[in-house]
Amino acid sequence: EPEVTQTPSHQVTQMGQEVILRCVPISNHLYFYWYRQILGQKVEFLVSFYNNEISEKSEIFDDQFSVERPDGSNFTLKIRSTKLEDSAMYFCASKGRTYEQYFGPGTRLTVT
Amino acid sequence: AQSVTQLDSHVSVSEGTPVLLRCNYSSSYSPSLFWYVQHPNKGLQLLLKYTSAATLVKGINGFEAEFKKSETSFHLTKPSAHMSDAAEYFCVVSLKNTGFQKLVFGTGTRLLVSP
Repeated sequence: EPEVTQTPSHQVTQMGQEVILRCVPISNHLYFYWYRQILGQKVEFLVSFYNNEISEKSEIFDDQFSVERPDGSNFTLKIRSTKLEDSAMYFCASKGRTYEQYFGPGTRLTVT
Repeated sequence: AQSVTQLDSHVSVSEGTPVLLRCNYSSSYSPSLFWYVQHPNKGLQLLLKYTSAATLVKGINGFEAEFKKSETSFHLTKPSAHMSDAAEYFCVVSLKNTGFQKLVFGTGTRLLVSP
């Protein structure tokens, strides 16, 4: 069964460093998303992406964040200068023509 | 704006007894509703979805949920709990009829299953 994959599973970085979180969505899906879950809090929407552009973003998704689909398979989230409060589990999701989004296993980002 | 309220942060049941996880939603439009499950150190798995077809929807692993518009509820049930059901469950709403739909998550209910 097709699934969304994410790498790395765990990323540790120092404050101020850039990180790139990678996702491979399900191959025939058209809509791509990033969500995050700070430890002990609920899952929050960050950004949606369709047809090579951002379709919606949340207040969290400020200028430090960017997304890209550099080729036909990968979907990346870049944080330019990480802050302590960026520590969270980041989930990628993709969706085809139906309503449900399929999530990857997540990347745990730890900023020290 | 859409939102969901999960009424219990923790639910404890014994193995073999029924499970009820409560969710109320708020939406200006006809919503799509979902339940996702998250096992420890795992990703989010879709359990079931409601998208305006049958109001009683069946999901994986014996779970069901009933959409009640008059009560704005979408409670998750299972007749008999298994130990493997212990996990965090999220009620989720999205605005229907848009391809870009973002999901709005509830705060989650942790289901504890004792032998």
